[in-house]
Amino acid sequence: RKEVEQDPGPFNVPEGATVAFNCTYSNSASQSFFWYRQDCRKEPKLLMSVYSSGNEDGRFTAQLNRASQYISLLIRDSKLSDSATYLCVVNSDGGATNKLIFGTGTLLAVQP
Amino acid sequence: DTAVSQTPKYLVTQMGNDKSIKCEQNLGHDTMYWYKQDSKKFLKIMFSYNNKELIINETVPNRFSPKSPDKAHLNLHINSLELGDSAVYFCASSQVGDWNYEQYFGPGTRLTVT
Repeated sequence: RKEVEQDPGPFNVPEGATVAFNCTYSNSASQSFFWYRQDCRKEPKLLMSVYSSGNEDGRFTAQLNRASQYISLLIRDSKLSDSATYLCVVNSDGGATNKLIFGTGTLLAVQP
Repeated sequence: DTAVSQTPKYLVTQMGNDKSIKCEQNLGHDTMYWYKQDSKKFLKIMFSYNNKELIINETVPNRFSPKSPDKAHLNLHINSLELGDSAVYFCASSQVGDWNYEQYFGPGTRLTVT
């Protein structure tokens, strides 16, 4: 089983749609959780951290369920500029080092 | 004013050659990393240095040798290049001490081994 699993997509959605991505992780000792965004042929960039109580940043909402080892990202009112690969990222060793495990990413294509 | 920079951006070389990729960060971070992103886009940690000390060393062939002359630089030397080494190599940096740290990535070095 992969340490971080995501649906690779692609998710093809019209502008203005709401889309949700899910992710599961295998290491119950993981303490830190993130969503990174990677545009085509570019480097990954942090989109948002994921807190236990859930958190929102504009149109983006992240949720964490530690019991189910499940992370989600909700994007409301999709824009063309949201088209990218969304990477679910987990710190794999309980914070002992900065070792991050990346999921394979979910590709989002927002259509006009 | 680039935060994490890598050189070269593209590298095309033949099997068996030795090559180096350089990375520099001007963010004042104390931890740097090398990642490999393969053709399936899977991004995997290779090495991490904290204040010039190796702290993460994943299962990577010993043909790959990182070197950190100071905490702002982390270079990657690859000996006897193989076809399977073709990938995009990303350098990153972060500040240890904050559990919710962000890793800042360089633009990547696209290595093609022929």
